[in-house]
Amino acid sequence: GESVGLHLPTLSVQEGDNSIINCAYSNSASDYFIWYKQESGKGPQFIIDIRSNMDKRQGQRVTVLLNKTVKHLSLQIAATQPGDSAVYFCAEILMDSSYKLIFGSGTRLLVRP
Amino acid sequence: GAVVSQHPSWVICKSGTSVKIECRSLDFQATTMFWYRQFPKQSLMLMATSNEGSKATYEQGVEKDKFLINHASLTLSTLTVTSAHPEDSSFYICSAIGRSNQPQHFGDGTRLSIL
Repeated sequence: GESVGLHLPTLSVQEGDNSIINCAYSNSASDYFIWYKQESGKGPQFIIDIRSNMDKRQGQRVTVLLNKTVKHLSLQIAATQPGDSAVYFCAEILMDSSYKLIFGSGTRLLVRP
Repeated sequence: GAVVSQHPSWVICKSGTSVKIECRSLDFQATTMFWYRQFPKQSLMLMATSNEGSKATYEQGVEKDKFLINHASLTLSTLTVTSAHPEDSSFYICSAIGRSNQPQHFGDGTRLSIL
């Protein structure tokens, strides 16, 4: 099913600390997952992706973990910086009869200087 | 890199008017374009999917006669909000994919305010 929009939870971290943002996805048949960053007044920006046959993928300062057993994704940001402050969404891609990208509910990350 | 451009970025209009939003892929051929709506402090909700040269597929609960989508070329899709009312005020975002499907590129959105 598709996620229903709720008011966004907020994660507040100190600059330089690591951040962990969690997401629960809805469809066990999804085979591709993406984390997006959205700054105020802008569209989502691609951060990192992972396929369902993987459980971990690392990028520059970011790591995505996938636990298919409990349908859970996490995004880890190392050494969080003020520029990381934004709303983060996980998204899953359903490829049944068509290609469709569905967004999760999102988390607002606030970085304290 | 690939860019998706939306126009206008912000529009204010009176209740009852129709508003057209354009979405263009600037350096790739967009075989499929998607339209999302986002209310404040909420996630993006998929409204419809359109493939070039064919009718759009609307998500459940989205009125196709209210939100007209045209995808006449591989670089342009338009969303027309017909007879807009205050409850249609929202942030509308388009995205596009090329022949390889991933990654999906997003525009910077159009903020629509209906008075």
